[in-house]
Amino acid sequence: DTAVSQTPKYLVTQMGNDKSIKCEQNLGHDTMYWYKQDSKKFLKIMFSYNNKELIINETVPNRFSPKSPDKAHLNLHINSLELGDSAVYFCATGQGGNQPQHFGDGTRLSIL
Amino acid sequence: GESVGLHLPTLSVQEGDNSIINCAYSNSASDYFIWYKQESGKGPQFIIDIRSNMDKRQGQRVTVLLNKTVKHLSLQIAATQPGDSAVYFCAENYAAGAGSYQLTFGKGTKLSVIP
Repeated sequence: DTAVSQTPKYLVTQMGNDKSIKCEQNLGHDTMYWYKQDSKKFLKIMFSYNNKELIINETVPNRFSPKSPDKAHLNLHINSLELGDSAVYFCATGQGGNQPQHFGDGTRLSIL
Repeated sequence: GESVGLHLPTLSVQEGDNSIINCAYSNSASDYFIWYKQESGKGPQFIIDIRSNMDKRQGQRVTVLLNKTVKHLSLQIAATQPGDSAVYFCAENYAAGAGSYQLTFGKGTKLSVIP
């Protein structure tokens, strides 16, 4: 069983569209995260979320919104997609505190 | 050798040699550090971690060294194998307030193993 799974693996869409990326974890972790990895491989936190609190990186545009239907899922919704949104998006989970985070295999988003 | 510039830093190593990947971290309040390995088309995979009350930790073929004085981490890979070829990231963890922790990644180093 894959611990952290993301769908789709590839997403190609037109500028201006709205899209969602799904993330599911079976590790029972309390906290889930979304990261963006740019073309230079730089990984940057976008959101962290547990059942109590959403922490948003202030540099993330409000076109991006995480939605958690339950503890095992944290989906990423993106409105009005722009060319600069092209990147690989990673979901991760963790137990919080000083514990390692576990990553999915990413969703490569390409905006035409 | 190692090159640093606009592109991802790259370290080329002969198979069987030892590799050393270096990382400078930024926050003196960070108290937990992790090394991740990222293969092409995959997510970052945990390799080894170290807490700030230690200066060395060993795993299977990997060793992490922590120098808090100069805010420096290194990852040593013994007897490097072709399967070690990947991008390696260091990450620092610190308390961001309100009970939450922030994991911040370094820029990454691409390790290429020459057979």
